[in-house]
Order: sequence, then structure tokens, then C-alpha cells
Amino acid sequence: GIQVEQSPPDLILQEGANSTLRCNFSDSVNNLQWFHQNPWGQLINLFYIPSGTKQNGRLSATTVATERYSLLYISSSQTTDSGVYFCAVDPLSRSGGSNYKLTFGKGTLLTVNP
Amino acid sequence: GAVVSQHPSWVICKSGTSVKIECRSLDFQATTMFWYRQFPKQSLMLMATSNEGSKATYEQGVEKDKFLINHASLTLSTLTVTSAHPEDSSFYICSASRPGLAGGRISYEQYFGPGTRLTVT
Repeated sequence: GIQVEQSPPDLILQEGANSTLRCNFSDSVNNLQWFHQNPWGQLINLFYIPSGTKQNGRLSATTVATERYSLLYISSSQTTDSGVYFCAVDPLSRSGGSNYKLTFGKGTLLTVNP
Repeated sequence: GAVVSQHPSWVICKSGTSVKIECRSLDFQATTMFWYRQFPKQSLMLMATSNEGSKATYEQGVEKDKFLINHASLTLSTLTVTSAHPEDSSFYICSASRPGLAGGRISYEQYFGPGTRLTVT
């Protein structure tokens, strides 16, 4: 099956710093999503981004599908940004369609200190 | 929009009993829902895909007789952990797939429930 690798596994920042999280995947994808899992376990949708660039406030994401990677940028980080960030992909099937199933990376644990 | 709820949020049960977890899409219809399991400090592992009106599709290694899934309506899927054992203790999360349009193509973005923490004693 498809492999999803996220880096770095852990990241500690001071409030106000910027960061870049990376997601590499081993095969073509139909869908790519970024999530933030808060301390209570809730996954919050950040981006649906199989290709291209999107921005939402202090967060932005870029997926280069041809090179099989996606980047999540966090600017001016806040303590509330702490948590685990997951990248998840829906691989493109042999027929070119989707299985609609997501394979998750292992996540990046972000800690933002005041 | 795109809110998914789960009930209960946590449950403690005795070994040998069964536990039912409900997953509801509150403001959209979901023909497909998914059940995941997450152990502490680990990633989410897909257990099964639940399709409305048909049998669930289980991932390799997941016992279908132990984890019963029913998707009786377009807004409700249930997961029943039968004859629970301590090793079934985990965080169970459901998601629902909502079709939409993104860049001129049909998209199937998944939205997740808040999870259910199961402890089997």
C-alpha cells in the first residue's frame, strides 16, 4: 500500500515562530488532507489539498502532486496550535479512481511554548 | 457545516460485555462512513468502511465478527465491539465522507467525529 511519511516527528517552538511540516507519499493520490488533532482527540480539518496551494489565516499548504509531497506552513505560531498534525492521503487506484479511504502518516507533534 | 458526532464520548465496560458506539453526520448525508482506531501516541488505523444499506468492508486483520458495523441510514453508522477484552481498549474515531466540488472535480472530504474512548476492565 501507499506509504506516508511526515517530518519532523516532533517540533518545539516559541510562540511567534514560523514552521514548515512536510508530508511525503509514495504513490499518486486522489485526495490529500491535513488535520490538527487537539489534546482531546478531535481531528480538525485544515486543508483538502490534492494539488496546488491554499491559505487559511496563519496556515497555508502546498501540494506538489507530481513530486509526491505536501507542505503545511504555520506562521506566527500560538500556544493553541499545539497538538499533532496529520497528513492523510487517498491513493489513486489502478483504474484512476478513488477508494475514498485515507491512509494516515504518523503525525508531527507540535509544542508551542509561551 | 460538516459536523460529525459520536456517542458516547467515553465508556468503561467489563470484559465479556458488548459496547455500541454511534456516529452521526448532523448536517449532511453520508453514504460512506469510516471507523478508525487510535492507540496512545500513534496514528489512526482504518478498521472498516461502512456503506449505507450494504455490508461493511473490513481492513485486513480486523475481525468482522468482533467489530460489527451497521449503516442503517444516510446519517448514522454504529460500531459494536462484541465480547470486549482489555486489549480492545482504545480510542475509536469515525468519519463521514461528504461529496463536494474542488477545482472543478468531485471531492470526498472526510470529517471526523470527536472519538470514543473505550476502557475494558
